[in-house]
Amino acid sequence: DTEVTQTPKHLVMGMTNKKSLKCEQHMGHRAMYWYKQKAKKPPELMFVYSYEKLSINESVPSRFSPECPNSSLLNLHLHALQPEDSALYLCASSQDQGVSTADTQYFGPGTRLTVL
Amino acid sequence: AQKITQTQPGMFVQEKEAVTLDCTYDTSDQSYGLFWYKQPSSGEMIFLIYQGSYDEQNATEGRYSLNFQKARKSANLVISASQLGDSAMYFCAMREGWGNTPLVFGKGTRLSVIA
Repeated sequence: DTEVTQTPKHLVMGMTNKKSLKCEQHMGHRAMYWYKQKAKKPPELMFVYSYEKLSINESVPSRFSPECPNSSLLNLHLHALQPEDSALYLCASSQDQGVSTADTQYFGPGTRLTVL
Repeated sequence: AQKITQTQPGMFVQEKEAVTLDCTYDTSDQSYGLFWYKQPSSGEMIFLIYQGSYDEQNATEGRYSLNFQKARKSANLVISASQLGDSAMYFCAMREGWGNTPLVFGKGTRLSVIA
């Protein structure tokens, strides 16, 4: 069983809505990640938090706003999304970003987002 | 240029047979790590196996083994005794060096196990 949980599993929202995706890990990891995955494509990195600080933002539009309240929690706040933002959003965590090449990312089950 | 290449978009294998999923990579770093993930239709990315560039032995994890050929820059995943539950998308990924380097994924191979 995964030790990275994500809620909700599914989300349908309109373009004017504000919603949040939540991710939680209980492995004591200090790095957490958000990925976006379109159908039949590999995951694309969006954000990385290391020790609760944003360390990578892959030029993601400001309608996506990440937040890391503590080392176990990661949120992704969504506002004024477009239909093309519909995708699977995956959260991952790892022991310590980049300390070694063996730093393995463990993923949650994902949130399937549909923007109408 | 693609850093990770998976040339097999889809593969079929008979139940209980072994199957090899191909992965080649491109890097000029001496230090890197290679990963394989499984993604069933439910969406979760499941970590399968890791191989470090300095590891002399091929990695194994249960029915999964990684055929690492450094000179050829290939890191093929071998699944022995395929099961119906192995039907999924499989992604090869690489991290180069240390520090803020992202995990780069290949395009994936869809494996279908036939009874």
